[in-house]
Amino acid sequence: KAGVTQTPRYLIKTRGQQVTLSCSPISGHRSVSWYQQTPGQGLQFLFEYFSETQRNKGNFPGRFSGRQFSNSRSEMNVSTLELGDSALYLCASSLAQGAGIQYFGAGTRLSVL
Amino acid sequence: GQNIDQPTEMTATEGAIVQINCTYQTSGFNGLFWYQQHAGEAPTFLSYNVLDGLEEKGRFSSFLSRSKGYSYLLLKELQMKDSASYLCAVREDNAGNMLTFGGGTRLMVKP
Repeated sequence: KAGVTQTPRYLIKTRGQQVTLSCSPISGHRSVSWYQQTPGQGLQFLFEYFSETQRNKGNFPGRFSGRQFSNSRSEMNVSTLELGDSALYLCASSLAQGAGIQYFGAGTRLSVL
Repeated sequence: GQNIDQPTEMTATEGAIVQINCTYQTSGFNGLFWYQQHAGEAPTFLSYNVLDGLEEKGRFSSFLSRSKGYSYLLLKELQMKDSASYLCAVREDNAGNMLTFGGGTRLMVKP
C-alpha cells in the first residue's frame, strides 16, 4: 500500500510570492494534518482536515491556508512568502479524527530567498 | 497549552541499551507517540501509548505513566542505523489529530 505522497519535494521561491503544496494520504485515510518543521521551532502543527472540513488550526498567521478534496487529497497554500517560511512542510494522514496513528510523508522543503 | 520536554542529545555505544525520557504537561491526554526521524527524512512511527504501562515492539519499547506525565523510549541492542532524532508527541482530548511535539532527542550511536 502506498504511503503518504507529497509534491513537490523541493521548492525555491522569493519573498512575496505564494506557494501551493500537495499531499495525497494513504488510501482509505480521511484525516490529513500539516506540520511545519524548522531547526529553531521543531515540528509545529498547522492544521487538520477531515471530510473536507478544517477541524483544528495551529497558531499560524492567516497567510497559511489549506483545503481538502472529496478524495481526501489536501493542499496547503502560503501567500506573501517571508524568509521565515523556509522550512520542511510535512503532511500526515490518519484513518480517523482523534484516533489512530499518523503517518508522515517525506515532506516538501521550501526555501524562500 | 502543552509543554513537552526531552533531552536534546544523547550518545550511546553500539550493542548497548539507551533510554530516552519525555515529560509532558497537558490539560487532557489522549495518547503519546514516539517517532524516529533520520536527517532529511520523514518521521517514522515507532510506538503509541494511551494507557499506563509498557508497550514492546522488537528492540523498541515505550513506557507511559499518565499520573506522572512521563514516558520513555527504550532502545535495546543498539545499531549504527539507530542514530537519528527521536520525537515525543502528545495528542490532547478534543484536539482531533493535532500532535504537540517535543524538541526531539538526537541520538548518536558510536562503534
